[in-house]
Amino acid sequence: QITLKESGPALVKPTQTLTLTCTFSGFSLTTEAVGVAWIRQPPGKALEWLALIYWDDNKWYSPFLKGRLTITKDTTKNQVVLIMTNTDPVDTATYYCAHTAGWLSDHWGQGTLVTVSS
Amino acid sequence: EIVLTQSPDTLSLFPGERATLSCRASQTVGNNYLSWFQQKPGLAPRLVIYNAYNRATGIPDRFSAGGSGTDFTLTITGLEPEDFAVYYCHQHAYSPLTFGQGTKVEI
Repeated sequence: QITLKESGPALVKPTQTLTLTCTFSGFSLTTEAVGVAWIRQPPGKALEWLALIYWDDNKWYSPFLKGRLTITKDTTKNQVVLIMTNTDPVDTATYYCAHTAGWLSDHWGQGTLVTVSS
Repeated sequence: EIVLTQSPDTLSLFPGERATLSCRASQTVGNNYLSWFQQKPGLAPRLVIYNAYNRATGIPDRFSAGGSGTDFTLTITGLEPEDFAVYYCHQHAYSPLTFGQGTKVEI
């Protein structure tokens, strides 16, 4: 059974760096074609894809946020970390991580709400 | 970037009726890598359809989908109370991956 859970601060101040951790089970990030993606959803708005890291450490980023995002993995801990620099109130959202097979994110975590406010 | 436009924004229906949701892409979605997600309030999105017409595990057969290229459709035949939710289409053919703005199916 594939499960994922996001963790991180509920509140960050503008300009601070946000670090989110996705802890997963039921699959390995050493398996070919497997990845973990991050997707966010501002309150009441649509989903926005952010980043994706694959088993072979290949990484993809949203071009709209590329300069601010870093995604890494720790296969020994079954974790993926997303770092977002220079946060702004518009980054307030629920952040989801998801198991990705090929390019399809088929299993999602429950999400974690992050508020960016002074 | 492939922009996905869903219509309508809101669909008001009764249980038992048929819902037809549309998703139009600004460019051809390669390999028809177009999926549909269902999201209920306070919950994570749930995969319903992948690769244009394949039902995900555990999805009842009242959900069907089709289309190709730039035009895709999700149909729910005989709406059940648990089907009232927001539905997002999603293309996973090209980076950046993108989502539609959502269609809310309400009673």
